[in-house]
Amino acid sequence: DTEVTQTPKHLVMGMTNKKSLKCEQHMGHRAMYWYKQKAKKPPELMFVYSYEKLSINESVPSRFSPECPNSSLLNLHLHALQPEDSALYLCASSQKSGGSGNTIYFGEGSWLTVV
Amino acid sequence: GENVEQHPSTLSVQEGDSAVIKCTYSDSASNYFPWYKQELGKGPQLIIDIRSNVGEKKDQRIAVTLNKTAKHFSLHITETQPEDSAVYFCAASPRMDSSYKLIFGSGTRLLVRP
Repeated sequence: DTEVTQTPKHLVMGMTNKKSLKCEQHMGHRAMYWYKQKAKKPPELMFVYSYEKLSINESVPSRFSPECPNSSLLNLHLHALQPEDSALYLCASSQKSGGSGNTIYFGEGSWLTVV
Repeated sequence: GENVEQHPSTLSVQEGDSAVIKCTYSDSASNYFPWYKQELGKGPQLIIDIRSNVGEKKDQRIAVTLNKTAKHFSLHITETQPEDSAVYFCAASPRMDSSYKLIFGSGTRLLVRP
């Protein structure tokens, strides 16, 4: 079962709000990822967690704050976002992050609208 | 860094025909090439992948070919069906020491006409 579950599916938030996106996988994967996807564009990597430690931050603004409470969970905390941050946020996981050739499985995404 | 180019950006075929999507990559050290299908409103779904020690891989109506010399890989869908209509992304994985990263192509919107 290759399933990555994301909640909520849709989120509308004001620019002064604080909200969180959540992601869960029970495949025993030790690497988890956040991607951002704008309309008609490919996914863009934001963060990589490997064994619950942040290993890649693709120069993402600090208004996005990731958290990995345990090996199954990944959160993305949102604060003081801008309308241009509206996008589909995808969580993904793979068996491990070291080395190449690890299949990455994506969740269905959380649609974020910032008003 | 790695750069992946994907063509065409849109492709319209008649049901039952074949569809071919092509990608080129720049980093000769890349050694893993997955293809994802993304339907409207959904996340990307892995449909097939290939590693650099293999030249071709097939799974029912879907096949992927890899030419390492030319740094080129392609997705072939035979006997297309309306449910194949979606956006398809190729990706390449540059060799990383500590973390794994996918570089995506720009996507191909495939329309299968019934």
